[in-house]
Amino acid sequence: AQKITQTQPGMFVQEKEAVTLDCTYDTSDPSYGLFWYKQPSSGEMIFLIYQGSYDQQNATEGRYSLNFQKARKSANLVISASQLGDSAMYFCAMRRDSYSGGGADGLTFGKGTHLIIQP
Amino acid sequence: DGGITQSPKYLFRKEGQNVTLSCEQNLNHDAMYWYRQDPGQGLRLIYYSQIVNDFQKGDIAEGYSVSREKKESFPLTVTSAQKNPTAFYLCASSIGTSGGLGETQYFGPGTRLLVL
Repeated sequence: AQKITQTQPGMFVQEKEAVTLDCTYDTSDPSYGLFWYKQPSSGEMIFLIYQGSYDQQNATEGRYSLNFQKARKSANLVISASQLGDSAMYFCAMRRDSYSGGGADGLTFGKGTHLIIQP
Repeated sequence: DGGITQSPKYLFRKEGQNVTLSCEQNLNHDAMYWYRQDPGQGLRLIYYSQIVNDFQKGDIAEGYSVSREKKESFPLTVTSAQKNPTAFYLCASSIGTSGGLGETQYFGPGTRLLVL
């Protein structure tokens, strides 16, 4: 079984500062993917970034980067130069990669971190 | 524009009533998913489908049913057997079985279900 733990229920950060959102995971699958999603107050889940378990380099997408430490089973999201529009819930998720066999299945989500950017 | 649509945005259910939530995608994705989100919680998987006419139960399938007659559509029925249906329901789709980033799930805007 897979498990995602996000230990920060809420965070307050000053605008333009960098912020790190923590995520640890547990799985016995040999191959897996890690995802971060943003959920604004409207409710829609917005995909931010993906890291494959066999990727040698940390993923980056614009202001988002994923600090992947496989031995520690952590996949922290780093947002550089935070903006007021970054205020939202952030969810870490993982899924068993289809290379492990069995095809596509669902994501396992953490409980999220509520990030508030202050001016 | 390609994307995922869900309707209605808000849905009210009376006791003992079955209700159906719509999910449509025009991304040509093979796989589709239904999740439930309760306040202050992450998402939990209800059902998913990898191909047309095939679907599998997720972690909390009891009280729900689905169908996948067309690639574009994956409706979810909340039956009267679901005793606590008040939640936010999100539909998602992914390319399917290509592996890695190709299995990224993209979400619709969601449906809020309330029990009267």
